[in-house]
Amino acid sequence: DSGVTQTPKHLITATGQRVTLRCSPRSGDLSVYWYQQSLDQGLQFLIQYYNGEERAKGNILERFSAQQFPDLHSELNLSSLELGDSALYFCASSTSVWGEAFFGQGTRLTVV
Amino acid sequence: ELKVEQNPLFLSMQEGKNYTIYCNYSTTSDRLYWYRQDPGKSLESLFVLLSNGAVKQEGRLMASLDTKARLSTLHITAAVHDLSATYFCAVDILPLGSARQLTFGSGTQLTVLP
Repeated sequence: DSGVTQTPKHLITATGQRVTLRCSPRSGDLSVYWYQQSLDQGLQFLIQYYNGEERAKGNILERFSAQQFPDLHSELNLSSLELGDSALYFCASSTSVWGEAFFGQGTRLTVV
Repeated sequence: ELKVEQNPLFLSMQEGKNYTIYCNYSTTSDRLYWYRQDPGKSLESLFVLLSNGAVKQEGRLMASLDTKARLSTLHITAAVHDLSATYFCAVDILPLGSARQLTFGSGTQLTVLP
């Protein structure tokens, strides 16, 4: 167990809908990362937050947004969902902006 | 743009045999990580390599880093079925004036056959 908690584990929703994925980092970690893993794209970095502020942005669609709250948990919001958004979404955390990342169990999103 | 290439992408090997997975990357970095992923599961950190010439071993797995060649290897010794999984390398860079980039390779799907 990495200490990073993601909820829910599974999510099935219809196209056009909006969902929120939640991540609690390891105790003491200030940095949170979101990754999308799909069969065709592999592991894609979406976005990074450090102590509440956005620090880096990767291949994140405009329909997606994220934030990190004062208690350091993070949420990834996915809206206007499309079939192609079906994937495993991972959250990871590290102690600093620059350090080993520990991954949560992931949220499997299925868009039907 | 940082590119990280792993090969092979798929590897079937017999129990008891040795093999090496390669990870090449395109930009100077002295931080590289190896992760293991079982199907549908999370990524488990295996090794953290932080300098040129770093070598780490855990059980039947040994990882090394050559920053001059921009190459890391994951060597499997006397493979057993429990090692069947997908292995990822990830390269970490912090460009001046920019944000951190942790970029993953495509992964190597290892199947160890009895």
